[in-house]
Order: sequence, then C-alpha cells, then structure tokens
Amino acid sequence: QVQLVESGGGVVQPGGSLRLSCAASGFTFSSYGMHWVRQFPGTGLECVAFIGFDGSKKYYTEAVEGRFTISRDNSKNTVSLQMNSLRHDDTALYYCAKERSGWYLDDWGQGTLVTVSS
Amino acid sequence: AIQMTQSPSSLSASVGDRVIITCRASQGIRNDLGWYQQKPGKAPKVLIYAATYLYGGVPSRFSGSGSGTDFTLTISSLQPEDFATYYCVQDHNYPWTFGQGTKVEIK
Repeated sequence: QVQLVESGGGVVQPGGSLRLSCAASGFTFSSYGMHWVRQFPGTGLECVAFIGFDGSKKYYTEAVEGRFTISRDNSKNTVSLQMNSLRHDDTALYYCAKERSGWYLDDWGQGTLVTVSS
Repeated sequence: AIQMTQSPSSLSASVGDRVIITCRASQGIRNDLGWYQQKPGKAPKVLIYAATYLYGGVPSRFSGSGSGTDFTLTISSLQPEDFATYYCVQDHNYPWTFGQGTKVEIK
C-alpha cells in the first residue's frame, strides 16, 4: 500500500534552515505530483509547495516564496523541502501528500514537526 | 491567491442531525473544490472531490454541491464517528488553498 514517510523536522532558531524529506513507496512515484502541506499548531492547513510529476512545475504559497525550495528525485522516490530563513510563523506540522491528477490529495504522511524558536 | 472562506468555524450538533457547512471562493473556481475530514492527531482524509463526487469508501450520508464560488458539504444524519474538523480546498489554481476549517462538536 501507499506509504509516505516524512523526516527532517526539529527545532531551529529564527533565520536558520532545515531540509525535510518524504520517502514514498507503494505506487509509481514518478507519475504523481506531490505537495507539502503544513498545519499550524491547533489550527488550519496551508499548501506550502507543489511539484509536478517530473519536477518541471513548481508552485509556492506566497508566505514561503523565495525562502523554500521543493525538489524531487524520482530515482529515489523522494520529495524534499529546503527551508531557509525560517521564521517563528513557519512553526507547524509538515505533511507530504500525493496528488491524484489534479483532483485531490489521496495519501498523506504522518507529518514532521518544525519548531522555530530562539 | 484564491481565498476560501468557510462557515461556520464551529458548530454543535447531535447524532442524527443534518449538518451543512459552506465554503465560498474569492473568485470562480468552476467545480474545482474538495472537502476533507480531519480527526485529532491524524492527517486529513478526502471525502468529496470535484465539488460533488464522493471519494471511494466514504459513506453516502456525505454529499457536496455547488459550483463557481459557493459550495456546501452536507452530512445528512450525523454519526458519532463524524465529529471532526472539515476543510474545503480549491484545486483550481496552484498552490491549492484551504478554508479555515469547521469543527463539528457533540451537543
């Protein structure tokens, strides 16, 4: 079955960097677009970044544009999120999620927690 | 970015009640809207896609309607396992954007 396993979260100081990774299995990874979605403590969801199946299309929410970079390695079935210049308001649980052809997010990981704190 | 506004932000209801949650988009999004359910400590799960299509395995008491800017999620007869937070999300433009959520609590 489909598995998405995130890693790389942790505690970082404001201005610091983290690299999140998501290891995928159980499906043909190179055929699907992937999202990073974050959930702020106790509150709502935000789509942070999207990457198309072959990596040619990338989109970011305005709040992270220029600071975060999404990438993928289809040979290793991984999608990554490089997060630079981290701010307090980036503190959240970060999920990776598989997109079903522009329709919906049908599989999610368990999330990795990022805490930005001095 | 397309803004999604959900209402109400929370509601209290009893088992067997009919529940309606609304979502409004800041611009027309045709039928490019999904509904997700999230329970505490778990990732969201898709219920409805393309505004009206029921995702596989989702009970038929859930239904979606609407197009353009105004959408609704209806739970026809609330069950104990339906107490959760519900989110709409537009998939018309990248990046997708979620509504702020509606928490359905037990009355």
